[in-house]
Amino acid sequence: QVQLQESGPGLVKPSQTLSLTCTVSGASISSGSQHWSWIRQPAGKALEWIGRVFPSGRTDCSPSLRSRVTLSIDTSKSHFSLELSSVTAADTALYYCARGAPIGPGSGWYEDNWGRGTLVTVSS
Amino acid sequence: QAALTQPASVSGSPGQSITISCTGTSSDVGAYNYVTWYQQHPGKVPKLIIYDVFNRPSGVSSRFSGSKSGNTASLTISGLQAEDEADYYCISYTTSSTYVFGTGTEVTVL
Repeated sequence: QVQLQESGPGLVKPSQTLSLTCTVSGASISSGSQHWSWIRQPAGKALEWIGRVFPSGRTDCSPSLRSRVTLSIDTSKSHFSLELSSVTAADTALYYCARGAPIGPGSGWYEDNWGRGTLVTVSS
Repeated sequence: QAALTQPASVSGSPGQSITISCTGTSSDVGAYNYVTWYQQHPGKVPKLIIYDVFNRPSGVSSRFSGSKSGNTASLTISGLQAEDEADYYCISYTTSSTYVFGTGTEVTVL
């Protein structure tokens, strides 16, 4: 069973950079048939897709966040990371990491395993 | 890319059927059959209940079904049960190789 665990500061000051790491166990993070995603959810609000990183290092990011997001992966440490720069209060949310993979033969790639989420608050 | 549009809330009585719509554009929902639905109970991690528009992962109740017409995908819950009370989100792959979530729908069982 794949397990993901988010870690990082729970409090970030405005204008600073939010940095989170997701540690993966129970699966090889370097396997090609998967990607590794970040999704966030402000309290009481909808889920928002942030982006994904492939084992190759290729990334895709939400256009609305692309200018502030850096995604990376370290297969030797079995973890992947999110950096979000110039944060504001609007970036306060529960941040989830997740694994995306085909659910069935020929299917699209979807997040089938999620971490529990880590709350990040942006405040001075 | 704007979030996919879902009704804010839908309600029904036990045993009834309800349908949640998820409207996007020709660049996301309408472009591929890559629409997924998640169920999220309060304080819980989202659970995948429908993928590729209408497929159910093993273990998901057959009361959940999905469909799509043009730029709108739909999730139908048949035989509504108290345990179905949750938030539901659609998500679609886009022509930009990104994903976009829906605005979310709160389902209430009366």
